[in-house]
Amino acid sequence: AQTVTQSQPEMSVQEAETVTLSCTYDTSESDYYLFWYKQPPSRQMILVIRQEAYKQQNATENRFSVNFQKAAKSFSLKISDSQLGDAAMYFCAYRSASGKTSGSRLTFGEGTQLTVNP
Amino acid sequence: GAGVSQSPSNKVTEKGKDVELRCDPISGHTALYWYRQSLGQGLEFLIYFQGNSAPDKSGLPSDRFSAERTGGSVSTLTIQRTQQEDSAVYLCASSLVMPIRKSGYTFGSGTRLTVV
Repeated sequence: AQTVTQSQPEMSVQEAETVTLSCTYDTSESDYYLFWYKQPPSRQMILVIRQEAYKQQNATENRFSVNFQKAAKSFSLKISDSQLGDAAMYFCAYRSASGKTSGSRLTFGEGTQLTVNP
Repeated sequence: GAGVSQSPSNKVTEKGKDVELRCDPISGHTALYWYRQSLGQGLEFLIYFQGNSAPDKSGLPSDRFSAERTGGSVSTLTIQRTQQEDSAVYLCASSLVMPIRKSGYTFGSGTRLTVV
């Protein structure tokens, strides 16, 4: 079974600064997808960025980028020029690329609560 | 609809009562998932529906939990004889049919269940 670990329960950053959230995972599969989701107080999970394991290039979405290290099974999220609206709980998630029914579920880490200080 | 709709938004129930939580997925999304998020924790998979296939119920924590999906659209999660440890946010998500390799999910805003 796959597991996802986020070792930072809480992080804080000054507005306009850069912060990196850590995520490691464990899997025996070679083809999978990794995601970062943001959960504001509204509770709705919002997709921030995704990465296909077969792609060596790190995904980027505006101020959000990842450092994907497949051999190390590491998938960190970097937020540049942090804004007050970035404050939320961030979850790292894994999804198998297998066509099997159970492979479609997301496995989540425990989350990192990000605070942005003005 | 434009998004995944869940109702009620909040539910307070007495221990031992049954509750029903509803999820209305995005039109055209054939895959539907239920997750549970306990206080301060990540999301725990409960059940997965895909089209007319038998659902994957492997995440249901006990036989007090059940779910159905009628007509391939709306889903209801039922918890019988609720216990205090059932208190959590129950999140529903839907997605396009597998295997759309890049798709994530669209989540609803969840139902916060409090068992007193």
